[in-house]
Amino acid sequence: EAGVTQSPTHLIKTRGQQVTLRCSPISGHTSVYWYQQALGLGLQFLLWYDEGEERNRGNFPPRFSGRQFPNYSSELNVNALELEDSALYLCASSLDTNRGEQFFGPGTRLTVL
Amino acid sequence: AQSVTQLDSQVPVFEEAPVELRCNYSSSVSVYLFWYVQYPNQGLQLLLKYLSGSTLVKGINGFEAEFNKSQTSFHLRKPSVHISDTAEYFCAVSRANTNAGKSTFGDGTTLTVKP
Repeated sequence: EAGVTQSPTHLIKTRGQQVTLRCSPISGHTSVYWYQQALGLGLQFLLWYDEGEERNRGNFPPRFSGRQFPNYSSELNVNALELEDSALYLCASSLDTNRGEQFFGPGTRLTVL
Repeated sequence: AQSVTQLDSQVPVFEEAPVELRCNYSSSVSVYLFWYVQYPNQGLQLLLKYLSGSTLVKGINGFEAEFNKSQTSFHLRKPSVHISDTAEYFCAVSRANTNAGKSTFGDGTTLTVKP
């Protein structure tokens, strides 16, 4: 069974640009979560999508947005990039949201210059 | 809301020595608890989880953790570590029996196993 996949693996952008990160969950998983892992700051919850709807949002500005498609894949969009957006962006999926266990992808490393 | 505190940011230990990574949580409701491991340049992998039942939980790679409700702790232990256990370890908590979805993660503990 294929795991959670993310693309691209690495990305370099400059301040003010926009970026789109992509995530494909494990087959059958309907929930997708996005996390930001900046150096020294641990995992910060960004967004949770379930069945195409945004269910919860972390404490991030509106320039962080996303969506979930009918096939349950997801995109994370970040507008007006700032230097502090440099981080590893992790996507996770789950089948049974009542149990909380999440399966993580390898992440996308975003560098903002 | 739930919160997680990992009491040690870095734990250095010699190979074949025992190790304990400490995790305390705060919650007003019942919770599920998890430990994840992150190897360099990789995503997180589930080590073990506590959902209900026995408070001693065994996971992969010889790790185990004990849920202590009175002390609101979920410490991770391994009796003898290997060099390959060098990684970042995250404790996480989520609300039990609800459709709350997201987990709250601790800040991580870097385990460094030295030869």
